[in-house]
Amino acid sequence: EDQVTQSPEALRLQEGESSSLNCSYTVSGLRGLFWYRQDPGKGPEFLFTLYSAGEEKEKERLKATLTKKESFLHITAPKPEDSATYLCAVHLFNNYGQNFVFGPGTRLSVLP
Amino acid sequence: EAQVTQNPRYLITVTGKKLTVTCSQNMNHEYMSWYRQDPGLGLRQIYYSMNVEVTDKGDVPEGYKVSRKEKRNFPLILESPSPNQTSLYFCASSPTRTTTNEKLFFGSGTQLSVL
Repeated sequence: EDQVTQSPEALRLQEGESSSLNCSYTVSGLRGLFWYRQDPGKGPEFLFTLYSAGEEKEKERLKATLTKKESFLHITAPKPEDSATYLCAVHLFNNYGQNFVFGPGTRLSVLP
Repeated sequence: EAQVTQNPRYLITVTGKKLTVTCSQNMNHEYMSWYRQDPGLGLRQIYYSMNVEVTDKGDVPEGYKVSRKEKRNFPLILESPSPNQTSLYFCASSPTRTTTNEKLFFGSGTQLSVL
């Protein structure tokens, strides 16, 4: 069964304290891995797509990396406005359409 | 402004009373999808549509119906809601109907409570 897990479930950081979020997956055929950010009361917003092991993408204080079994979202010197839930999703091969499997998310709090 | 619009934002209803949650996108996207989000379970796909008049089941379709009569609209219908359908619902769209890696654009969500 295709499965995506994320750890930790919740993370509390001080402003400026760098850390990493993990997304692990066991899937039958990966087309791509997506990271989204979700603020309370809002829908997820796209951050990155990674397609192959070894690929990296960066945006401001965020950097996403991908291996054959997991992805990391590295947050460097976070600020309070980085507080949100971060979701990863895998895009799978199938015969009938797009299938995204989402992880449960990591809830990040950055304290001033 | 390019967006996915869901209505209503909040809905409280009783068991068995039919309801519809509307979803509309103004980006001319071919692909649209419905998800429900529950604590600890992440987003789970209910139904999706590759194009007008083409819909298919996602991972948790039981108790839901959809239709895609127009490209921009993709309503979610609960014919006889039950308390286990209490959840946060999101509509999403993406530009193409091919199986390429297209990011999803999400609506703001509909919080449904079934009493």
